Amino acid sequence: AQSVTQPDIHITVSEGASLELRCNYSYGATPYLFWYVQSPGQGLQLLLKYFSGDTLVQGIKGFEAEFKRSQSSFNLRKPSVHWRDAAEYFCAVGAGGSQGNLIFGKGTKLSVKP
Amino acid sequence: GAVVSQHPSRVICKSGTSVKIECRSLDFQATTMFWYRQFPKQSLMLMATSNEGSKATYEQGVEKDKFLINHASLTLSTLTVTSAHPEDSSFYICSARDRRNRDQPQHFGDGTRLSIL
Repeated sequence: AQSVTQPDIHITVSEGASLELRCNYSYGATPYLFWYVQSPGQGLQLLLKYFSGDTLVQGIKGFEAEFKRSQSSFNLRKPSVHWRDAAEYFCAVGAGGSQGNLIFGKGTKLSVKP
Repeated sequence: GAVVSQHPSRVICKSGTSVKIECRSLDFQATTMFWYRQFPKQSLMLMATSNEGSKATYEQGVEKDKFLINHASLTLSTLTVTSAHPEDSSFYICSARDRRNRDQPQHFGDGTRLSIL
């Protein structure tokens, strides 16, 4: 069965520091992978996606993620975190290809220290 | 860009009331919409997949008679929580898939905070 694991429930980083949020997936075929961000009480905003091709994908707000098939991982990174980045981050795998429903990880809450 | 409007954003009502939540795709046609439920500090759980003109497909454990889904047009899906009780209090989020754009499979609404007293 498809699944997504985000090992870190809560991460705190200092403003200006680098960030890496971990995501591991379990999927039988080539996965379609996504990272979303959710601010409190709001919906989800797509940060970036991986369908195929270059394994390093660039997203909005300075985020990037690298697909590593050998490690079944799709970690999200940002070189310098801003206080506005504090939010909940969800990794997701597309269960039915790019057109299907999404299976989400449990999320990682990011706090940013001044 | 594609926009999904979800209404209302917040609703507070008494136990036993039925509540309808609307999900509209504003600038694209959505043959498929998804309804998710999110408990505090938890992930999104898919409740059902709504296809225009046909019955919704519910996930295991989701009561069809409790959560009525209607997708009567290519731009509107509704979720009705019937005879709501405090345990139905949650954050409900819809998403819609633009059949013409394979680059972004789902566009999410801003969610509805449902509180049952």
